[in-house]
Amino acid sequence: DQQVKQNSPSLSVQEGRISILNCDYTNSMFDYFLWYKKYPAEGPTFLISISSIKDKNEDGRFTVFLNKSAKHLSLHIVPSQPGDSAVYFCAASPKTSYDKVIFGPGTSLSVIP
Amino acid sequence: GAVVSQHPSRVICKSGTSVKIECRSLDFQATTMFWYRQFPKQSLMLMATSNEGSKATYEQGVEKDKFLINHASLTLSTLTVTSAHPEDSSFYICSARRSYGTAYEQYFGPGTRLTVT
Repeated sequence: DQQVKQNSPSLSVQEGRISILNCDYTNSMFDYFLWYKKYPAEGPTFLISISSIKDKNEDGRFTVFLNKSAKHLSLHIVPSQPGDSAVYFCAASPKTSYDKVIFGPGTSLSVIP
Repeated sequence: GAVVSQHPSRVICKSGTSVKIECRSLDFQATTMFWYRQFPKQSLMLMATSNEGSKATYEQGVEKDKFLINHASLTLSTLTVTSAHPEDSSFYICSARRSYGTAYEQYFGPGTRLTVT
């Protein structure tokens, strides 16, 4: 039973264009969401997070949008750069335990020069 | 800041032996550290939460006698895989959360590739 879903295993985007990575969740107890980026043979790197009291959080080229009613969030990267090529994990924590992070299966992003 | 290291990065051991993996927060103190396991082409699965000076909390289905966790200081947690078997071969990743502030972000180590022959 996958509580955090990333239905696109992979995504290819041209350099300079927008990358949109999607994530859906099923557990209504989740109220803190995070995006991590991971290169092969390395640990994930924290990118950006959003609390359920917000619907948008922006940090430089990265913006996360949260639609609580749809249980959906997305990560926008603008403009996309070749160095952004990596696996992106969506993750969520329940309000009962923010230390318990449930990861999605990841989306592999390729930014083509 | 917020650098987490793991040692070793790669280890091969024989079936039946034990392997210890170290996780260190290099530039911050971490009262809480986490151990994850990642199977090929799958996501990270939380194995246990380690709190400094107390017993680890294991997730359902994780054998606490097989995966021994010790969090002896604010900068070091260790995972010992006891009596390793080939099915324990995996990528083990630790993470740490800062001891101060309200941020819930976890900072991850580079991972340890364990191969049991």
